[in-house]
This record gives sequence, structure tokens and C-alpha cells, in this order.
Amino acid sequence: DTAVSQTPKYLVTQMGNDKSIKCEQNLGHDTMYWYKQDSKKFLKIMFSYNNKELIINETVPNRFSPKSPDKAHLNLHINSLELGDSAVYFCASSPGGPGENYEQYFGPGTRLTVT
Amino acid sequence: ELKVEQNPLFLSMQEGKNYTIYCNYSTTSDRLYWYRQDPGKSLESLFVLLSNGAVKQEGRLMASLDTKARLSTLHITAAVHDLSATYFCAVDRTSYGKLTFGQGTILTVHP
Repeated sequence: DTAVSQTPKYLVTQMGNDKSIKCEQNLGHDTMYWYKQDSKKFLKIMFSYNNKELIINETVPNRFSPKSPDKAHLNLHINSLELGDSAVYFCASSPGGPGENYEQYFGPGTRLTVT
Repeated sequence: ELKVEQNPLFLSMQEGKNYTIYCNYSTTSDRLYWYRQDPGKSLESLFVLLSNGAVKQEGRLMASLDTKARLSTLHITAAVHDLSATYFCAVDRTSYGKLTFGQGTILTVHP
């Protein structure tokens, strides 16, 4: 009964490949997010969807594309992987809604290593 | 651009001692969150502070928010080893959960 789950947990791939990370939440939340945590543990938001609509789209390379088939799922597809993409990617969800509490619940993370 | 700064970035404490982690942010906001991250693990929500003067306590941790000073504090009372982790504050100055995180404070509690 994991609240926010991600697959895979580890992903090792070569430069130039395309890969996807999947995220699912069973909390009934309306808003989902993708974050990147670099080697220095710095966390930066990448994208957010509210009810399948993109609401946050930070300055990330076009090679990163989020997709939300429904409000319980938010996937991240990465094209032409580069060494600098190596990081831990966290998915999160929150109840959301304008003016509401946006306390975010994080998934276990996906450690991506590009060689 | 919103900047969130924590200090100290590294904190080595003895068990039983008290200490405070500070979180300063650069622009007006009344939504601040504290998270804990254990090595190799996910982030766990600790406190949600949504108004000036908000104070929340859980066990040996107490968080407060002063929106006028743009400052939040996380106070640790009588530290125990289990509190060793990285602590992040995060500020939201939007109305849709766009969090800006501090750099994190690595706390080590030793006997």
C-alpha cells in the first residue's frame, strides 16, 4: 500500500539512450511533481501536473518530457541521455488546489546513472 | 528569484544537547515546509507552517515561522542518535506548490 511509488529504483544506461521513469500515487491527490536531486543533494523542481494539466515547467532541457495519462500517474521520459543527467529523480504528490496546503509526499526515488 | 538558505550546512552534535537550524528566504512567503532525508532514502515531511507565528512540535523537534523576518527555525532538544539525517526547508511563494528548497543541513548526533 505504498503511497507514492516509482519504477525503476535504479537505472544504469549509456549516453545517448532514451529512458522512462514511472510514478504512481494512490493518495487521491490532484497534483504531482518531478524533482531532481544532484550529487550535492540539492533538490530542484522540474515539472508539476494538476489533474493532468501541466502547471510548472521549469527550465529543463527539451530532452525531458513529462506525461500524465491520469491524475494518479506522472511519467518522465528522457531522450538522448547525457552524463549530467545522472542524479536521483523523485516523484511527489500533494492534495493541491489553489490556496491550499501543498505538503508534498515523496516517492522512493530513482537513481539514474549515465555512463 | 526566490533564494532559500540554511545554516549551518553541517552540524555535529552530542547526544543530549540542544541546537537550532535556521532557514532564511529572500522573498515574501507564508508557506514553509521542513523535510527529513535519511541517507539513500526519500524525503519525509516533518512540519507544515502556513502562517506568521506558526509553531509546530513533534517529539524533540520544534519548528517556527516568522514571515516578517523571512526566517524559519528548526529547534532540536536533547538530541538523540536517531535524529541524524539531512534536514531541508522548502518555501512556496506560489499558490500551486512550487517549492524552492534550501541546501539541506546534515545533522550528525554522536554519543
